[in-house]
Amino acid sequence: SQKIEQNSEALNIQEGKTATLTCNYTNYSPAYLQWYRQDPGRGPVFLLLIRENEKEKRKERLKVTFDTTLKQSLFHITASQPADSATYLCALRLAGGYQKVTFGTGTKLQVIP
Amino acid sequence: EAGVTQFPSHSVIEKGQTVTLRCDPISGHDNLYWYRRVMGKEIKFLLHFVKESKQDESGMPNNRFLAERTGGTYSTLKVQPAELEDSGVYFCASSQVILRGPSSGNTIYFGEGSWLTVV
Repeated sequence: SQKIEQNSEALNIQEGKTATLTCNYTNYSPAYLQWYRQDPGRGPVFLLLIRENEKEKRKERLKVTFDTTLKQSLFHITASQPADSATYLCALRLAGGYQKVTFGTGTKLQVIP
Repeated sequence: EAGVTQFPSHSVIEKGQTVTLRCDPISGHDNLYWYRRVMGKEIKFLLHFVKESKQDESGMPNNRFLAERTGGTYSTLKVQPAELEDSGVYFCASSQVILRGPSSGNTIYFGEGSWLTVV
């Protein structure tokens, strides 16, 4: 069955360091991989989308990589700040303009001042 | 511009009762989705409307759940009768018309969720 795995344990890092979150998937051939941020009691907020033919995408302090051979995406936050503390969700989408996404369980990031 | 709004934000009902959740998508968004997160699990897809038509309802758990989107604007999700395992947070999301090609990665906007507790 299709499975998306993210670090289930919380990730604690020092302010200013780079946070790296991992998303692995099996039995899936996504056309798009997305990362969302979710704060407690709030809905997910879209951050970045990367297509299957893209290796890397950047947006300000965020960087996402997508390795379809390893079936893995890495999400990096450089120069992390306490305000970056949240749960980050990986989500996969199939091709064909069909926008149903399948979410991972998320990784909770805590940036320590 | 208003985002996706959901009502009620929180609801506590007894097992066997009925609850209706409402979602108002962003104005002009033809695509409307319902997702659900139960305790300790990932967010799971329930169904997808394109305007008033159900495009995909493969995630609906059983026939106690009924979603409607009359007129292609707001949507309701009714749970009748509610069971304990229905407790969780129900998210609604919307996006613009799906485009092909490089623009097909349209952003999906989520609401804040409706937190349902069945006791």
